Amino acid sequence: NAGVTQTPKFRILKIGQSMTLQCAQDMNHNYMYWYRQDPGMGLKLIYYSVGAGITDKGEVPNGYNVSRSTTEDFPLRLELAAPSQTSVYFCASSPDSLGFNEQFFGPGTRLTVL
Amino acid sequence: GQNIDQPTEMTATEGAIVQINCTYQTSGFNGLFWYQQHAGEAPTFLSYNVLDGLEEKGRFSSFLSRSKGYSYLLLKELQMKDSASYLCAVRPMDSNYQLIWGAGTKLIIKP
Repeated sequence: NAGVTQTPKFRILKIGQSMTLQCAQDMNHNYMYWYRQDPGMGLKLIYYSVGAGITDKGEVPNGYNVSRSTTEDFPLRLELAAPSQTSVYFCASSPDSLGFNEQFFGPGTRLTVL
Repeated sequence: GQNIDQPTEMTATEGAIVQINCTYQTSGFNGLFWYQQHAGEAPTFLSYNVLDGLEEKGRFSSFLSRSKGYSYLLLKELQMKDSASYLCAVRPMDSNYQLIWGAGTKLIIKP
């Protein structure tokens, strides 16, 4: 199993450009998440999904969009990139069992907006 | 509001023991996680507590007191590879999947 994969690993965008961060998992997990991590800050939830076709906003959704057409894929779209979106983005997934529900993380995408 | 507090940075010596504390105020409680994150890498799961008491896993142990809103991660026989950030995360009562994350404690191990 590859686990959770993310592409690209690094990206530099100009202000106003758009891009899609790709995330895929091969563990058949229903729950998937997008986080951003800024230096010295905790992980902030951007969007999450509890299954194909179902997405919802997290703490910091402004400036982002997601879709979940399959169980495996959960891309994050940035429209009109701004310097405030410079961050490290992590995708994660977890099984939908009650109680203990470990989240598995991808390697991250380091995004800089100039 | 929901809040998780951890020390920003700690330093310890190779071979010693270190305790990293975490206090939380959340809308109910449904489990507490500790994750390890090496610089430039993704977080990886270390431990999970949902009942009061100590959970031991090799050199790492995690303790929880729900009445005090308090947990700690205990690392024994420290090794240089333990230099990393340690993230505390709490699942609120009204969620089976969302986590509230602390900012993490950067642990520096010196020879």
